[in-house]
Amino acid sequence: DQQVKQNSPSLSVQEGRISILNCDYTNSMFDYFLWYKKYPAEGPTFLISISSIKDKNEDGRFTVFLNKSAKHLSLHIVPSQPGDSAVYFCAASAMYGQNFVFGPGTRLSVLP
Amino acid sequence: NAGVMQNPRHLVRRRGQEARLRCSPMKGHSHVYWYRQLPEEGLKFMVYLQKENIIDESGMPKERFSAEFPKEGPSILRIQQVVRGDSAAYFCASSPQTGRYTEAFFGQGTRLTVV
Repeated sequence: DQQVKQNSPSLSVQEGRISILNCDYTNSMFDYFLWYKKYPAEGPTFLISISSIKDKNEDGRFTVFLNKSAKHLSLHIVPSQPGDSAVYFCAASAMYGQNFVFGPGTRLSVLP
Repeated sequence: NAGVMQNPRHLVRRRGQEARLRCSPMKGHSHVYWYRQLPEEGLKFMVYLQKENIIDESGMPKERFSAEFPKEGPSILRIQQVVRGDSAAYFCASSPQTGRYTEAFFGQGTRLTVV
């Protein structure tokens, strides 16, 4: 049973446009959500996070939106750049000290 | 402040041998997580450890796999009698002890190939 889902395995976006990556979760105990970016042959790197007490968090070109009632979050990247091409993982945790549950990832390709 | 260090980066083992993967967490971090990524798949949680304690090993295969995080030294993920299906990238992450809503920082991973 997959607790964190990313239903789009891949996404292609033109440079300069907005990239929207989606994530859904099933466990209502999750209260902290993170996005990681991963390049081939490297470890995931932390991008941005949001706690359940917020519905939006912004950091430069990256904004994460959380809709708790729908158990849905999204990552917006604007404007998208070719260097953003990577696999993006959504992750969730239930409380301090719990492990982080990852989604299967979405491969983003930003076309020049 | 060095990041999470994993070694070796690449490990080749013959079927039936043992594989030992090491992870040194970031300075000040006392929580370690191990994840496995099979080809074309996402990150699958394996085990979560604090110093000298296994907190959650629900993602560990029941046989041949073990993990430890001793009081001194790195965390070790040990795979005995490796099989071809163990070939994957194994990632370690660490997080600090204090505070809530903390992210995990990942190492570069160890790519295990079983031949």
